[in-house]
Amino acid sequence: AQSVTQPDIHITVSEGASLELRCNYSYGATPYLFWYVQSPGQGLQLLLKYFSGDTLVQGIKGFEAEFKRSQSSFNLRKPSVHWSDAAEYFCAVGISGGYNKLIFGAGTRLAVHP
Amino acid sequence: DTAVSQTPKYLVTQMGNDKSIKCEQNLGHDTMYWYKQDSKKFLKIMFSYNNKELIINETVPNRFSPKSPDKAHLNLHINSLELGDSAVYFCASSQGQRTVYEQYFGPGTRLTVT
Repeated sequence: AQSVTQPDIHITVSEGASLELRCNYSYGATPYLFWYVQSPGQGLQLLLKYFSGDTLVQGIKGFEAEFKRSQSSFNLRKPSVHWSDAAEYFCAVGISGGYNKLIFGAGTRLAVHP
Repeated sequence: DTAVSQTPKYLVTQMGNDKSIKCEQNLGHDTMYWYKQDSKKFLKIMFSYNNKELIINETVPNRFSPKSPDKAHLNLHINSLELGDSAVYFCASSQGQRTVYEQYFGPGTRLTVT
């Protein structure tokens, strides 16, 4: 069955520190992978996406993610975190065949210390 | 202009009541969704409409009935509300085949059933 695992429920980093949020997926076919961010009280916003090609993808707000097929991973990174990055981050895999839909991970809550 | 809007933002009601949530998108998208986010932030698709046609209907109780009067609107009616229906309900929209996964989310409707 298709699934997305985000091992870290809650991560705290200091402002200016680097960040890596982990994501592992289970999907039999070539995955379409996504990271969404949810700020407090808001809906989700697409940060970045991977369909094919270059395994390192750039997104908005200075985020990037790397697809590693051998590890079934799509980790999100940012070299220097800003206080405004505090939010909930969701990794998702796009399921195709029949009707396309997103399967989300459980999310990682990021807290940023000043 | 808000791309995807939902009303109401908050909804508090008693068990057994019937309530509706409305969603509108002004992005010109042809596909709309309802998601449920539970108290642990887990996000799961409920329904999807493409050009007013229901295309995804996940395992959702019959008490939930979506309706799409046109491509820009998707409503969710819930009968005989139960405590377990308490959650945040998100509407989303997307366009196209591959870009179907690039979904734009509304701000959510927090439903509390007492």
